[in-house]
This record gives sequence, C-alpha cells and structure tokens, in this order.
Amino acid sequence: AQSVTQLDSQVPVFEEAPVELRCNYSSSVSVYLFWYVQYPNQGLQLLLKYLSGSTLVESINGFEAEFNKSQTSFHLRKPSVHISDTAEYFCAVSEGTGANNLFFGTGTRLTVIP
Amino acid sequence: GAGVSQSPSNKVTEKGKDVELRCDPISGHTALYWYRQSLGQGLEFLIYFQGNSAPDKSGLPSDRFSAERTGGSVSTLTIQRTQQEDSAVYLCASSLGRKAEAFFGQGTRLTVV
Repeated sequence: AQSVTQLDSQVPVFEEAPVELRCNYSSSVSVYLFWYVQYPNQGLQLLLKYLSGSTLVESINGFEAEFNKSQTSFHLRKPSVHISDTAEYFCAVSEGTGANNLFFGTGTRLTVIP
Repeated sequence: GAGVSQSPSNKVTEKGKDVELRCDPISGHTALYWYRQSLGQGLEFLIYFQGNSAPDKSGLPSDRFSAERTGGSVSTLTIQRTQQEDSAVYLCASSLGRKAEAFFGQGTRLTVV
C-alpha cells in the first residue's frame, strides 16, 4: 500500500538558518511527488513538484527538493528561511501507474523564530 | 469558476443529524478528491473520483460517510448520523489528472455539537 512518511511533525528554526523537511514514501512503481504548503489561515497550495527529468526541483521562493529513488525520499530544503516561511508543509505522492489517488503525509509544521 | 469552491464554509450541526458538503471543482478537471483535516492531524484521504466513478473509496472512515459526483463536476460528501469525532475541516481538491497539480478549496469546517 502507498504511504508517505514525514518524520518531523514540528521543526523550529531561527531566521536565516537552513532547514530540511524530510519526506519518505513507499511505492514499488514510479511516482509523482509534490510538496504543498498551508500558511496560517489559508488553504493548501502547491509549492513544487517532481514528475520526471531532473531530480532537483525548485520553487519560486527559494525552496528546493530532490527526488532520490534509491532512498525513496523527496526532502524539502531551503538554505536560509524567512519569517514568512512559517507554515505547515505536506509531502504528497501519486503513483505513475495503477492507482491515481494522491496520498499526503501528516505534515510538518515549520516555525521560523526571529 | 476560477478555483475550487466549497460550501458551506462553516457548518455546525447537532450530533445525530445528517450533513451534506458540496464541492465545485475547477471546470474541466476530471479528478476530484475529498480529504479530512482534523485538529492536530494531517490530511486524511477519504475518496477519489475520476469522472463520476470512485475507483478508490478506501479512506471513508465508516458507512455513515458517502460521496457522489454527477456530470463529472459537482461532488457531495454526505455524513449520516454525525458524531463528535466527525468534527474537522473537509477539503476538496481537483486536478486534470494524477500528474497535474491538485487545487484545493478553502474547506468546510464541520463542528458537531
């Protein structure tokens, strides 16, 4: 069965420090991978996605994630966080063949400390 | 419409009553998803529609929960005989397909008292 694991439920980090939010998935087939962000009192919105091609994908606000097939991971990183990055981040996976539904991890709450 | 629309935005209901939650997906999106986000919990998958059919209902927590989609568009999630543990934000999302970005609605906050 498909599953997504976000190992850290909460990550506090000081402003301008680097951060990594971890995501691992279980799937025996090819996958499409997504990171969604939910800012306080807002809806979920797509941050970045991996469909194919380059394993490193970037967002417009400085986040990046790298698809690692051997480790079945899709960790999200940012070299220097801002206060405005405080939000909940959800990793999601959709299988490339067979089931079409989108599965989410339980989320990681990133809190940036001034 | 421009985005996924859910109604009502808030619903307070008495325990034991039935409720219907509505989702209007983005026009042309064939895939539609329902999720539940409980306080302090992550996103819990409920059901997925491709067109009007639901190939995956595995996330529905009990037989009190049901959903339908008509005309490949609007979907309704029905919860019968609501219980307090049903209190949550119910999110709907739609996409062009599994490779495409899923766009989320603002959700319906259900409170069962």
